[in-house]
Amino acid sequence: DGGITQSPKYLFRKEGQNVTLSCEQNLNHDAMYWYRQDPGQGLRLIYYSQIVNDFQKGDIAEGYSVSREKKESFPLTVTSAQKNPTAFYLCASSIGAGTYEQYFGPGTRLTVT
Amino acid sequence: AQTVTQSQPEMSVQEAETVTLSCTYDTSENNYYLFWYKQPPSRQMILVIRQEAYKQQNATENRFSVNFQKAAKSFSLKISDSQLGDTAMYFCAFRGSRLTFGEGTQLTVNP
Repeated sequence: DGGITQSPKYLFRKEGQNVTLSCEQNLNHDAMYWYRQDPGQGLRLIYYSQIVNDFQKGDIAEGYSVSREKKESFPLTVTSAQKNPTAFYLCASSIGAGTYEQYFGPGTRLTVT
Repeated sequence: AQTVTQSQPEMSVQEAETVTLSCTYDTSENNYYLFWYKQPPSRQMILVIRQEAYKQQNATENRFSVNFQKAAKSFSLKISDSQLGDTAMYFCAFRGSRLTFGEGTQLTVNP
């Protein structure tokens, strides 16, 4: 089945540690995105990538880093510089970077204590 | 920059009835798309319906339809014959140069 996978569903880390969230898609989509969702709020864009080996900062990129070495994969690293990392993280992809709809993975709930 | 406003944080409806969720947006762009996404308790974001700004005809998907008023920058979602499985957070989203979400409306369908 085609789709977007994110693992794990729940992730726990100690403060000061970097953590990497995985996102894989087999939809052959060029564009991929990372969003953060806090309780009772909408989604905020962290990073996006329109093509392999290229990515752009979104609205809240500070404390995060990404890579796009393969079309299928767009991992997000939450670094120790992110002041408030506990949140729900959603990965999405779209055919291209234009006005195409985005399809979302199931999300990862990250808790940092 | 574009903004999306959903003025109803919570709504409820009785099963089998009709409910309308409101959304307004602000943009200077002329070519854009609008979407409604549904996020049930599982937290999976599911695309419900899309509307191209250049189309005057309102989009419809089974029990879901939109009322798109371009001049007023309004994009409401109507759910007919509400079902218990429609209980979810609903997000309005604007897609121009990037996708911008509203803050969501929590819809509860009561039996």
